[in-house]
Amino acid sequence: RKEVEQDPGPFNVPEGATVAFNCTYSNSASQSFFWYRQDCRKEPKLLMSVYSSGNEDGRFTAQLNRASQYISLLIRDSKLSDSATYLCVVNILDSSASKIIFGSGTRLSIRP
Amino acid sequence: GAVVSQHPSRVICKSGTSVKIECRSLDFQATTMFWYRQFPKQSLMLMATSNEGSKATYEQGVEKDKFLINHASLTLSTLTVTSAHPEDSSFYICSARVGEGGHEQYFGPGTRLTVT
Repeated sequence: RKEVEQDPGPFNVPEGATVAFNCTYSNSASQSFFWYRQDCRKEPKLLMSVYSSGNEDGRFTAQLNRASQYISLLIRDSKLSDSATYLCVVNILDSSASKIIFGSGTRLSIRP
Repeated sequence: GAVVSQHPSRVICKSGTSVKIECRSLDFQATTMFWYRQFPKQSLMLMATSNEGSKATYEQGVEKDKFLINHASLTLSTLTVTSAHPEDSSFYICSARVGEGGHEQYFGPGTRLTVT
């Protein structure tokens, strides 16, 4: 089983739609959680951190459920520029060393 | 945010040769840098963790003698792909962690390696 699993996608939605991505992680030693965005042939860029209390940044809302080991990202009023691959990222503390594991990513395509 | 550079951005080499990729943190010191590899339509896979002044920690399945990592200073880590083969063709990305206890990583722009 993969340590971080995401919706496979791709998601193809019209501009203005609301879209939600899900992610589950298997390692209970996971400490911190992030959503990254990666455009084609570019490096990943941090979109937002994810907290148990939930956090919102403009049109983006992230939620974490530690009991279910589940992370979500909600994008409201989607824009064409939101088209990208969204990576669920988990920071695991393993044998006193910290490492980051990426999900396989969910591709989002916004159509006019 | 913190800036990480990589050089070269693109390299084409012949099979059997070695290629060195540099990763620099430009405006901060990074005691820990990470090297990832990404094949087309796949996610980033952590190859190794590079620690300044000590040996790198390699992930399972990554050959340390093939992928040589040197982290000689707080702002520079290098990855050398030795005796490259076509199957090593990939997108290599480095990242640096900001601060000792920081969990966020900042990524370099990546290096696209093509081995012919």
